[in-house]
Amino acid sequence: QVVLTQPPSASASLGASVKLTCALSSGHGSYAIAWHQKQPEKGPRYLMKVNSDGSHIKGDGIPDRFSGSSSGTERYLIISSLQSEDEADYYCQTWGTGIHVFGSGTKVAVL
Amino acid sequence: QVKLVESGGGVVQPGGSLRLSCAPSGFTFSRYGMHWVRQAPGKGLECVAFLRYDGTKIYYPDSVKGRFTISRDNSNDTLYLQMNSLRPDDTAVYYCARDSIPYSFGTNAFDVWGQGTMVTVSS
Repeated sequence: QVVLTQPPSASASLGASVKLTCALSSGHGSYAIAWHQKQPEKGPRYLMKVNSDGSHIKGDGIPDRFSGSSSGTERYLIISSLQSEDEADYYCQTWGTGIHVFGSGTKVAVL
Repeated sequence: QVKLVESGGGVVQPGGSLRLSCAPSGFTFSRYGMHWVRQAPGKGLECVAFLRYDGTKIYYPDSVKGRFTISRDNSNDTLYLQMNSLRPDDTAVYYCARDSIPYSFGTNAFDVWGQGTMVTVSS
């Protein structure tokens, strides 16, 4: 079964960029993933789907400073021009027949 | 505006039951598969049920299988989660979420989420 691994935390200064990683387990390099943002006391917010070729499809209203990419079994979320409201937990998600899997999330701190 | 609103959460004793509802708006509910996802305090996200657009039940993880039942009323645009034999480890915020591709088998990203409803199982 596919497993998603995310580092527990990341940080960057206001206005800088941060790159979050979601690692798919071995043998699952063809899987697409989705990124979701979870702010305290709010429901998750879909950011984008990232395919294995690095192409990505963003959700409605997601700012241009959010982008995605891919390399091998790793999928990335890049947040440019970091703003204070970007401080949140970021979860990756993938899916197969009859299953949906989330990573454990990365907490992003804006310094 | 595409939106999902959950309701029905509350405090229940171990062994008790609760039914959650999810009310969609801004899209044709009957075309989309729907999911229930929960987040226990301090924990990550866990899918607990999926139902295809046409009412075919597809997925329950072992943690809730036999205790939770997902259903939908396409004529009244409502998604439900019936939770029986509740345990303290079912304590979580429960979210409904939409499958991103209409008329699909549920193997897609979730592209719309609700704000969640809190379920507390405690004596």
